[in-house]
Amino acid sequence: QVQLQESGPGLVKPSETLSLTCTVSAGSITSFYWSWIRQPPGKGLEWIGYISYSGSTNSNPSLKSRITMSVDTSKKQFSLKLSSVTAADTAVYYCAGSGYNNLYYFDYWAQGTLVTVSS
Amino acid sequence: EIVLTQSPGTLSLSPGERATLSCRASQSVSSSYLAWYQQKPGQAPRLLIYGTSSRATGIPVRFSGSGSGTDFTLTISRLEPQDFAVYYCQQYGNSPLFTFGPGTKVDIK
Repeated sequence: QVQLQESGPGLVKPSETLSLTCTVSAGSITSFYWSWIRQPPGKGLEWIGYISYSGSTNSNPSLKSRITMSVDTSKKQFSLKLSSVTAADTAVYYCAGSGYNNLYYFDYWAQGTLVTVSS
Repeated sequence: EIVLTQSPGTLSLSPGERATLSCRASQSVSSSYLAWYQQKPGQAPRLLIYGTSSRATGIPVRFSGSGSGTDFTLTISRLEPQDFAVYYCQQYGNSPLFTFGPGTKVDIK
């Protein structure tokens, strides 16, 4: 059973870069596409982007210019950087996994981490 | 972009009743690419249904999915107390690659 755990600052200042890391345990990092999904407080879900173990990426056009994703297979970690944040980027951020042969949905989710953008 | 619309926004029902949740897409969605999730307060979403009608591992048989084209349905045959939650549909396909509906809240009447 794949388990995911996010880590990173819970508070980021406006105009700075939000950085989060997701660690994969009890599963193979090479068997999945790894996505970031966010949920503003009291609102719905927005897919941010995914990265594969080989480093190929795809991201939401609405965020693409501000997103950098990376993967470290030796540490079984993948990361998200979102630059030039504003209050609108305040959200619970989830990392999630989609099977390599079943990219179409998210099998596994981390518990989520709240990131607040505020000075 | 494929926009998903869910109705109703809130569904107020009693335990034991049948819940029927609708998800409508702005363009046709392949039946392989439509999924449903359940989210309880303070928790991550949990995959319920994928490929329109396949239950994810460990999901009770009271949850079923159906539909095609632009109209999809999640049915909970008899609501259990733990089923009161928010339900999201999600599609895979066009750019952006994944989009979610706004959710339907099933609450206790």
